[in-house]
Amino acid sequence: QKEVEQNSGPLSVPEGAIASLNCTYSDRGSQSFFWYRQYSGKSPELIMFIYSNGDKEDGRFTAQLNKASQYVSLLIRDSQPSDSATYLCAVSPFSGGYQKVTFGTGTKLQVIP
Amino acid sequence: NAGVTQTPKFQVLKTGQSMTLQCAQDMNHNSMYWYRQDPGMGLRLIYYSASEGTTDKGEVPNGYNVSRLNKREFSLRLESAAPSQTSVYFCASSVGRELNTDTQYFGPGTRLTVL
Repeated sequence: QKEVEQNSGPLSVPEGAIASLNCTYSDRGSQSFFWYRQYSGKSPELIMFIYSNGDKEDGRFTAQLNKASQYVSLLIRDSQPSDSATYLCAVSPFSGGYQKVTFGTGTKLQVIP
Repeated sequence: NAGVTQTPKFQVLKTGQSMTLQCAQDMNHNSMYWYRQDPGMGLRLIYYSASEGTTDKGEVPNGYNVSRLNKREFSLRLESAAPSQTSVYFCASSVGRELNTDTQYFGPGTRLTVL
């Protein structure tokens, strides 16, 4: 079983719709959760992080965390063609000091104009 | 600020050749990392340096060595390249404080092909 699992996609949504990206993780000790966006041929860039159960909103992005069910999701409202990218979920147990982050393989999102 | 820089951007090697990938950050970060990214495998940690003067193995260290030259620079060396090391290599850095919000920032990557 992979430590961090994501559906590889592609997930296709029409422009203006809500895109919902999901991630499950196996380590119950995980405490920090990150969403990165990676455009084709580029490096990952952080969208947001979350470490408390519930929702965290930042502009059009909302991260949702449910530690009991061991999943984290990212909602993108009013999706734009520029949101078309691969979204990486990253999970860390945060044992202090070194931040051991495990990445999922990513979900490819396509926003159709 | 340039953030995290990597050189070279592209490299083609023959099996058995050696090379060093360079990484530098200007954000005064304590921790630095080397990842490789392969299709369907995600980002996998090769080595990391939690702070200047320390280095440790990650998930896939075989065939690689690293040097934390100073606080800014962290290099990755392939002593005898193999086709299995064909990949995209990313360097990253983070503040390294004991906070659960410590975020990693990535360089632009090096695309390496070993023939």
